[in-house]
Amino acid sequence: AQSVTQLGSHVSVSEGALVLLRCNYSSSVPPYLFWYVQYPNQGLQLLLKYTSAATLVKGINGFEAEFKKSETSFHLTKPSAHMSDAAEYFCAVSVPTGTASKLTFGTGTRLQVTL
Amino acid sequence: KAGVTQTPRYLIKTRGQQVTLSCSPISGHRSVSWYQQTPGQGLQFLFEYFSETQRNKGNFPGRFSGRQFSNSRSEMNVSTLELGDSALYLCASRLSVTSAETQYFGPGTRLLVL
Repeated sequence: AQSVTQLGSHVSVSEGALVLLRCNYSSSVPPYLFWYVQYPNQGLQLLLKYTSAATLVKGINGFEAEFKKSETSFHLTKPSAHMSDAAEYFCAVSVPTGTASKLTFGTGTRLQVTL
Repeated sequence: KAGVTQTPRYLIKTRGQQVTLSCSPISGHRSVSWYQQTPGQGLQFLFEYFSETQRNKGNFPGRFSGRQFSNSRSEMNVSTLELGDSALYLCASRLSVTSAETQYFGPGTRLLVL
C-alpha cells in the first residue's frame, strides 16, 4: 500500500529565507506525486506534480520539487519565502487501484513566515 | 473555466440527522472524488465516481454514501450524523481516473454536528 510521510507538522522561516518542506513516500509501483497548498478556509490548490517526465519539477509561485527515487523523497523548496506563502502544504501520492487510482495524502506541514 | 463548486459552504446539523452535500465538477470532468478533512485524521478519501459508477471507496461506514448524475454532478449523503462527522468535506474533479490525472479541489463544505 502507498503512504506519504511529511516530516515536521510546523515549519517557521523568515521572509526571504529558503523554504524546505519534506516529503517521503512509499509505493510498490512507480508513483505519481503531488504537492498541494491550502490557505485558511479554502480548498486545496495544486502547486506541482511529478509524472516521471523530469525529476525536477517547477510549480506555481516559485516552488519546485525534486523526485529522488533512491531516497523515496519529493521535497518542496522555494528559494525565498514570502509572507503570502504562509499556509498548509500537503504531499500526496497517486497509484493505480483496480480500475481507477487513489490519492493518499500526508498529514500536512503548516508553514509560518515571519518578518 | 469555472472551478469546482460545492454547496452549501457551511452547515450545522444535530446528531441523528442526515445531510446531503453537492458538488459540481469542472466542465468536461467526469470524475468526482470526496474527501473528509479533520484536524485529528487529516485528509481521508471517501469515494470516487466516474461516469455515474463508484470506482473507489475509502474506509468509512455505510452511513456515508454518494452518487453521481449523468451531468457529472455528485452528491454525498451522511445519515444518522455523529459528533465525529464534523469536518470539512472536499470534493475534487478530474478528467479521468488515471494516476497521473490531477485532481482539482473545490472550496469545501464545513459541517458542524451538534
